[in-house]
Amino acid sequence: DAMVIQNPRYQVTQFGKPVTLSCSQTLNHNVMYWYQQKSSQAPKLLFHYYDKDFNNEADTPDNFQSRRPNTSFCFLDIRSPGLGDAAMYLCATSRDNPSWGALQETQYFGPGTRLLVL
Amino acid sequence: RKEVEQDPGPFNVPEGATVAFNCTYSNSASQSFFWYRQDCRKEPKLLMSVYSSGNEDGRFTAQLNRASQYISLLIRDSKLSDSATYLCVVGYTGGFKTIFGAGTRLFVKA
Repeated sequence: DAMVIQNPRYQVTQFGKPVTLSCSQTLNHNVMYWYQQKSSQAPKLLFHYYDKDFNNEADTPDNFQSRRPNTSFCFLDIRSPGLGDAAMYLCATSRDNPSWGALQETQYFGPGTRLLVL
Repeated sequence: RKEVEQDPGPFNVPEGATVAFNCTYSNSASQSFFWYRQDCRKEPKLLMSVYSSGNEDGRFTAQLNRASQYISLLIRDSKLSDSATYLCVVGYTGGFKTIFGAGTRLFVKA
């Protein structure tokens, strides 16, 4: 089945030790997103890719970086994780169809990676 | 003021009840509106897109009021399986910026 896959599902890292989270999709969607969700809070958009065009949210810390080597894969790199970065990280994808004008299409989410920083 | 605000929860209702959630958004440039459902420790999943004319899907009805900048979700005949957090989502013109509300937690009791 077409889907959005995230690996690993759980990641434990040490304070300051770089970590990479991965996301892959078989939906062939051209837009991919990374969200951070802390307990009892809304998912917060960190950045998105429109094809290879990277779009960073203004309030996303420099500590967070992303790579999209091809349509199917997208990575979230946290260069120096702090205790405050412990959260669920959600990857999502959507299509863009110019004929829809400004309307956005549904986002399909992966199961998330739960990050714990010790 | 948050860009997307939802009713504070939780809502505790008996099975069979009708429950309504409201969501307000502050940016009039918003163009796309959705309700997502999120189960505990799971990812959000689309419940409904919200169209300007309002739309219905079984027991669920969504309404959009652009003049007042709010979106509503009505759930009729609540089931135990409706227990979840309901997230209001707003998308903006000219890009893929998406803002989620903090969610409203619903508990349906037998």
